[in-house]
Amino acid sequence: EVQLLESGGGLVQPGGSLRLSCAASGFTFSGYGMNWVRQAPGKGLEWVSLIIASGTNTHYADSVKGRFTISRDNSKNTLYLQMNSLRAEDTAVYYCAKRASPNSYHFDYWGQGALVTVSS
Amino acid sequence: EIVLTQSPDTLSLSPGERATLSCRASQSVTSSYLAWYQQKPGQAPRLLIYGASSRATGIPDRFSGSGSGTDFTLTISRLEPEDFAVYYCQQFVSSSWTFGQGTKVEIK
Repeated sequence: EVQLLESGGGLVQPGGSLRLSCAASGFTFSGYGMNWVRQAPGKGLEWVSLIIASGTNTHYADSVKGRFTISRDNSKNTLYLQMNSLRAEDTAVYYCAKRASPNSYHFDYWGQGALVTVSS
Repeated sequence: EIVLTQSPDTLSLSPGERATLSCRASQSVTSSYLAWYQQKPGQAPRLLIYGASSRATGIPDRFSGSGSGTDFTLTISRLEPEDFAVYYCQQFVSSSWTFGQGTKVEIK
């Protein structure tokens, strides 16, 4: 059974940093691209970042480019999101989501989410 | 950037009725890049449809997707109580994804 478990969320002041983790199990983690998607309170879904299976290529939404860094440790089956220079508008539930296959364009499994609150 | 606009924002229907949800793109979208998700309160999104019309594993056949170009549709043939939720369309272009704003299907 595929499982994705996010951790590391919490309350942080504007300008601060936070690192989210997503522990994966039930599939060959090193074979799949992984994403972060966020959802502000009461709002819709916003794609944040993608890292390909090998970890050698990454992509970001314009809203987080230069502030957030996605990475992965395939030996630990774990995905990360380092978030710096956080702003109030970054407040959201952050989901990790598995890309269905290298040549697919949808996300077949999602974690339960980690809440990040940016406030003074 | 391709913008996805879903309509209506809210759909009020009774169990057993047919639901038709629309997703319109600001530019033509490759059908294989279009997906639909369902989200219930407090839960993560769940993949329903990918490639515009292919049902994901375990999704009941009352859910169907159709469309091409700029107009896509999610149809729920007969609403079950568990289908009342928010539905999002998603598209991929140039190594990034965007979502529509969502359609809430609520009990009338």
